[in-house]
Amino acid sequence: NAGVTQTPKFQVLKTGQSMTLQCAQDMNHNSMYWYRQDPGMGLRLIYYSASEGTTDKGEVPNGYNVSRLNKREFSLRLESAAPSQTSVYFCASSRDAKNIQYFGAGTRLSVL
Amino acid sequence: EDQVTQSPEALRLQEGESSSLNCSYTVSGLRGLFWYRQDPGKGPEFLFTLYSAGEEKEKERLKATLTKKESFLHITAPKPEDSATYLCAVGGGADGLTFGKGTHLIIQP
Repeated sequence: NAGVTQTPKFQVLKTGQSMTLQCAQDMNHNSMYWYRQDPGMGLRLIYYSASEGTTDKGEVPNGYNVSRLNKREFSLRLESAAPSQTSVYFCASSRDAKNIQYFGAGTRLSVL
Repeated sequence: EDQVTQSPEALRLQEGESSSLNCSYTVSGLRGLFWYRQDPGKGPEFLFTLYSAGEEKEKERLKATLTKKESFLHITAPKPEDSATYLCAVGGGADGLTFGKGTHLIIQP
């Protein structure tokens, strides 16, 4: 069982460049999430998708956009990367908003 | 606004030395309290979920308990392989989880 798969695992960008982080789950879950994790801080919710076709902002959405491509896939896009977006990004999925969230292995992003 | 505070930030124990990690929370309507384990360079791994005060769950050397204001993760006779960062999170008024900053646990042989 693959669970939640994130690509790429590592990425280095220059300020102003754009990129898309990919996430796919094979558990037939309805809800998907994007978090960022920074040293000394807890995981913080960027965006989430409660079900296919819907997306909503979380705690720290500025500078990001998301697309729920289908039930399996949920992508996170940085249109113009900034050094403050250097972080580890985690995708998660759950059966619905009240259930256990399962996490991917993360994407480690550095913006120079 | 949902809030989660974990203590201590870091804990170093000898192998076999039992202890407890604390998670204090404030939430508008608890939809669940979750414990995760995170190893360096990896994503959080689910351990337990608790839904109501008085509930307890166990898995190997770990036991999680819940009151109306806090949760404890008790570690009995830990082994070096229990070394990790333990994360507490609550599902509350909004979708998604609110996480604490974690407790970094080191078990020395």
